[in-house]
Amino acid sequence: SQKIEQNSEALNIQEGKTATLTCNYTNYSPAYLQWYRQDPGRGPVFLLLIRENEKEKRKERLKVTFDTTLKQSLFHITASQPADSATYLCALVPGSSYKLIFGSGTRLLVRP
Amino acid sequence: NAGVTQTPKFQVLKTGQSMTLQCAQDMNHNSMYWYRQDPGMGLRLIYYSASEGTTDKGEVPNGYNVSRLNKREFSLRLESAAPSQTSVYFCASSGDRGYQETQYFGPGTRLLVL
Repeated sequence: SQKIEQNSEALNIQEGKTATLTCNYTNYSPAYLQWYRQDPGRGPVFLLLIRENEKEKRKERLKVTFDTTLKQSLFHITASQPADSATYLCALVPGSSYKLIFGSGTRLLVRP
Repeated sequence: NAGVTQTPKFQVLKTGQSMTLQCAQDMNHNSMYWYRQDPGMGLRLIYYSASEGTTDKGEVPNGYNVSRLNKREFSLRLESAAPSQTSVYFCASSGDRGYQETQYFGPGTRLLVL
């Protein structure tokens, strides 16, 4: 069956460290993969999009990698801050359709 | 520029009651979406509209109807609410390339069906 998986356990890190979140998928051939941030009680907010022919994309302290062989995307936040605490969702666009599929998200907690 | 707005913010219904969730966007987007979000399940697509007058079913359309009233507005109707429809509902919009585009989300409607 097709699945998109994110670690359901919260990631708890110290301020200033790099946070790395994982998104794994099976039985999809995504053309695009997107990452969103969601704060409690609010809608998701788009962060980054990476295409299947791109290995890495950066935006300020954020970096996303996309490995279509491993079927995995990694999302990194460098020099993390307490304000980065939120739930991060990955979403993919399968190459065979135009439906956006969301993972259930990983909660990040950055301790001061 | 308000982005995507949703009303109401909260609603409590009794089983069997009906209601309409309203969504509007001011970004001149063609594509609009309704999702529901449940704990541990992620966002699941209920319905999608690529343009005014067109709608398509998503992953979980049963028990819902939608209307794309005009380019700005996309409403979601529950004709006979059930406890299984207790959830947080998000409306989103995106540009001309549909799912390939960034999606902009509203603040959500929290619905409790008793």
